[in-house]
Amino acid sequence: ETGVTQTPRHLVMGMTNKKSLKCEQHLGHNAMYWYKQSAKKPLELMFVYSLEERVENNSVPSRFSPECPNSSHLFLHLHTLQPEDSALYLCASSQDLAGGKNIQYFGAGTRLSVL
Amino acid sequence: GESVGLHLPTLSVQEGDNSIINCAYSNSASDYFIWYKQESGKGPQFIIDIRSNMDKRQGQRVTVLLNKTVKHLSLQIAATQPGDSAVYFCAENPSYGSARQLTFGSGTQLTVLP
Repeated sequence: ETGVTQTPRHLVMGMTNKKSLKCEQHLGHNAMYWYKQSAKKPLELMFVYSLEERVENNSVPSRFSPECPNSSHLFLHLHTLQPEDSALYLCASSQDLAGGKNIQYFGAGTRLSVL
Repeated sequence: GESVGLHLPTLSVQEGDNSIINCAYSNSASDYFIWYKQESGKGPQFIIDIRSNMDKRQGQRVTVLLNKTVKHLSLQIAATQPGDSAVYFCAENPSYGSARQLTFGSGTQLTVLP
């Protein structure tokens, strides 16, 4: 148990569906992240939040919409996805963005399949 | 652009032997490095880290070596066990204090043979 919980663990959706991924961290951290992990590719950083404010958006298509209602919860809202969006979506948290090691702790991920 | 890469995508070792996983990085300004382990069906798990002012750091059964001259780091696992089978990622951070610039390599699959 890393202290970062992601739900659902698996998700199958059609291209016209709308779904949301949820992440919750129990570590008292201030920063949270969304990553995309595709087969045989490095982790791709999608979004970064610090104290509920988005501080990084790495040119992610608008069909991915993040939401951070508080420092413990992070959502990724999905709509009109494409088959190439099928991947493992990982959430991570770190104590802060700056001032120390800021090791990122990861959840187990949501395996997303877009049909 | 900057990149973090691994020399070998797969590595097989006999149980009980030592494992060495290598990582090359291209950003000479990188200040901080982390090794993660990702088991099947799980997210990456922190193993050990090292700052650029060090060339060696030891943990429990693991050692990370950093060679800044050739921009290379390695993860050594002593007495490899079946539970060590996983994908291992190195990650670099140009700035020790800034978590959001972490760049990950593509990973090495370690398989422990009985």
